[in-house]
Amino acid sequence: QQQVKQSPQSLIVQKGGISIINCAYENTAFDYFPWYQQFPGKGPALLIAIRPDVSEKKEGRFTISFNKSAKQFSLHIMDSQPGDSATYFCAATNPETGANNLFFGTGTRLTVIP
Amino acid sequence: EPEVTQTPSHQVTQMGQEVILRCVPISNHLYFYWYRQILGQKVEFLVSFYNNEISEKSEIFDDQFSVERPDGSNFTLKIRSTKLEDSAMYFCASSSRTANTGELFFGEGSRLTVL
Repeated sequence: QQQVKQSPQSLIVQKGGISIINCAYENTAFDYFPWYQQFPGKGPALLIAIRPDVSEKKEGRFTISFNKSAKQFSLHIMDSQPGDSATYFCAATNPETGANNLFFGTGTRLTVIP
Repeated sequence: EPEVTQTPSHQVTQMGQEVILRCVPISNHLYFYWYRQILGQKVEFLVSFYNNEISEKSEIFDDQFSVERPDGSNFTLKIRSTKLEDSAMYFCASSSRTANTGELFFGEGSRLTVL
């Protein structure tokens, strides 16, 4: 099963609030979990990534929390800003199917209200 | 800042016609990719290309699709005989390392509409 399930589909947060996007997977062979950010009219861009041997990774206001036993990972955006309004995709790679095939989630459209 | 560029930004074609989508990857990158995103759906992997050959491809990438790096700078995706279900945004990407070790740099996409 190569799916990555992402929720919610859309999210509205007040400026300064915390945005939380969740992803879940079934395939324990997945070994790399990036998050990509996409602004309208642009291609996705890497935001932050984590491997399953780490439970948390933080870069500025963005944090990935990883729960290997639950097969879940989430993106937390602290102090959300209107400029964070974008679509966020979680993804995963499976070395058994190749190092270059990113399996993307369905995306979460985040709107941060001023 | 170097970027991946794609042309055309939008192409409308009739079913059964051949389409070529073009990409100029970042110059020192070694890995090249095509992904697609059907409207409202997730981004899906089509193919990766390394050392002048296909390194991986998905089930979507059937005999109707082909890729080429004709001149060392361009990277093209050809759809031989388009179908209605080929309508999507096609993203080219490139990277200096494999997708599971480094960042993929995506272009802005080519929207293909098949009528």
